Amino acid sequence: EADIYQTPRYLVIGTGKKITLECSQTMGHDKMYWYQQDPGMELHLIHYSYGVNSTEKGDLSSESTVSRIRTEHFPLTLESARPSHTSQYLCASGDNLMNTEAFFGQGTRLTVV
Amino acid sequence: QKEVEQDPGPLSVPEGAIVSLNCTYSNSAFQYFMWYRQYSRKGPELLMYTYSSGNKEDGRFTAQVDKSSKYISLFIRDSQPSDSATYLCAMRAGNNRKLIWGLGTSLAVNP
Repeated sequence: EADIYQTPRYLVIGTGKKITLECSQTMGHDKMYWYQQDPGMELHLIHYSYGVNSTEKGDLSSESTVSRIRTEHFPLTLESARPSHTSQYLCASGDNLMNTEAFFGQGTRLTVV
Repeated sequence: QKEVEQDPGPLSVPEGAIVSLNCTYSNSAFQYFMWYRQYSRKGPELLMYTYSSGNKEDGRFTAQVDKSSKYISLFIRDSQPSDSATYLCAMRAGNNRKLIWGLGTSLAVNP
């Protein structure tokens, strides 16, 4: 069982609300990632971090922001949710040896109404 | 044209069959090749990780990489109903941090 946790699992929220999706891992991994997954589409990288105080945008244009103040914690924030943000958000982590997303969380299914 | 092509299926096989899942790619710079399994309403799970060409075996799973043909495969022997899931291939170049994903192949193993 991977030690990477995402909360909440499901969230329904109104347009314009600010939301934060939580992701935590207890494996001490430096690398953490946020992906967006929609039915019938590839996973799209929206943010990644290679360590504390290091964050980068992925290749999918996103209105979200992330922070990495502690190694184990990588929250994603949407300042003003829109229906177009409705999606599955997946957090992942990996160590420097394997150079890949080794563990994924269960995901947060976000619905913006 | 996508950098990674993967037939979405669905693929349906009887229990005990040998399953072959494949991806083709166009970027010859890819060096790291991964297979993930994703159950419904769960995050992906890393199954196999290979570097460059060749085969790698782990239990009932075998991953093959043919860089000359730009083709990777995942074989599942003695398939079980618990193998029913979506299988995603992913790959990256050695000096590129971005992982390029296939669409995933949906597999159903029928008892």
